[in-house]
Amino acid sequence: DVKVTQSSRYLVKRTGEKVFLECVQDMDHENMFWYRQDPGLGLRLIYFSYDVKMKEKGDIPEGYSVSREKKERFSLILESASTNQTSMYLCASRENSGRIGELFFGEGSRLTVL
Amino acid sequence: RKEVEQDPGPFNVPEGATVAFNCTYSNSASQSFFWYRQDCRKEPKLLMSVYSSGNEDGRFTAQLNRASQYISLLIRDSKLSDSATYLCVVRAGTASKLTFGTGTRLQVTL
Repeated sequence: DVKVTQSSRYLVKRTGEKVFLECVQDMDHENMFWYRQDPGLGLRLIYFSYDVKMKEKGDIPEGYSVSREKKERFSLILESASTNQTSMYLCASRENSGRIGELFFGEGSRLTVL
Repeated sequence: RKEVEQDPGPFNVPEGATVAFNCTYSNSASQSFFWYRQDCRKEPKLLMSVYSSGNEDGRFTAQLNRASQYISLLIRDSKLSDSATYLCVVRAGTASKLTFGTGTRLQVTL
């Protein structure tokens, strides 16, 4: 089974802090994604990566950056956390071929910014 | 207008009922369509892809209407375990990007 692991299930940070959210997948997938999920807004794509050291902006990249130094790891960085970044963050991976719609998600990281 | 729109529900149905959800999409260039299921406080998981000719997987039937730009999900003989939020997902443009609807919540009761 594909396993996508997010390092922290729950985090509480203060405004202005730097936040790292880590995601690791064990199926050698080329594509990795970061979404945030908010009530009434659904899942919105922040950034994605289709290869090591490659990244593409999603729909809401402002206030975020990402890092993909190794194929299995995709990190989301909040340089200076703000209260409007309080959300559920979901990492996902997908292989390049096969069922192109099948994203495998991690369990999510619920971030609260005070 | 949102790229993908769904009725948020909740749909409250008794066990054994048949229930249908619709989802509309705005981009006529959309190429692939999917239904995901998300249980409470869990991550989304792929339920089924939606093919042009319509497709069935057990009690679940998915259909696509390109002319009217909507997809549907029909659940027959609802079970308590079907209670979840059903997310409509559309792929358009680049191969990587999937756009999610906000989901339709289903509650199946005794």
